Amino acid sequence: DAKTTQPPSMDCAEGRAANLPCNHSTISGNEYVYWYRQIHSQGPQYIIHGLKNNETNEMASLIITEDRKSSTLILPHATLRDTAVYYCIVRGYNTNAGKSTFGDGTTLTVKP
Amino acid sequence: NAGVTQTPKFRVLKTGQSMTLLCAQDMNHEYMYWYRQDPGMGLRLIHYSVGEGTTAKGEVPDGYNVSRLKKQNFLLGLESAAPSQTSVYFCASSYVAPLRDTEAFFGQGTRLTVV
Repeated sequence: DAKTTQPPSMDCAEGRAANLPCNHSTISGNEYVYWYRQIHSQGPQYIIHGLKNNETNEMASLIITEDRKSSTLILPHATLRDTAVYYCIVRGYNTNAGKSTFGDGTTLTVKP
Repeated sequence: NAGVTQTPKFRVLKTGQSMTLLCAQDMNHEYMYWYRQDPGMGLRLIHYSVGEGTTAKGEVPDGYNVSRLKKQNFLLGLESAAPSQTSVYFCASSYVAPLRDTEAFFGQGTRLTVV
């Protein structure tokens, strides 16, 4: 699986959009980009995933650059409950979900 | 729908004691996994199972054993606990679907302290 690089921490004002970047310059053609988050003392939670098109669900939007070497997770209206560690994971098409490599992630702090 | 349930949620062991952590899922998932997470670090895969009766080693398997006698349950055993095994343990499960991507569902964790 490709290696990912994320900033260690970010702050965001409550109600504003949180944009979390991820670099995955060695991604291969059949690898997906996944995002999970882990709220303090809880198990990781799946957020969204994509291959090359932008994706949106009820939690977030995922923007993947045309060359697929980076992506951005967008939380459109961050709340205090979105404070968590956010993990960007790149995983092969046929690699089972539990063998994802969780790096250090980005600690997002949403401030009032 | 309970999802993935881990028991116990907290445990304190003395060095050398043994214990078993239980993970149960009600989603009929084929794959199940055990991870450990140390303070300030990401998750590391201990063991996993791709189906009832099968297990495989992950990234950090030493000092742990697992069993998958029933599809819905995945047990993690510590035969002789050591202080280095103090950690938060997470169980997860997922579908096996090689032709489409899937996500993993995680339990709430077991906080284990070995003194």
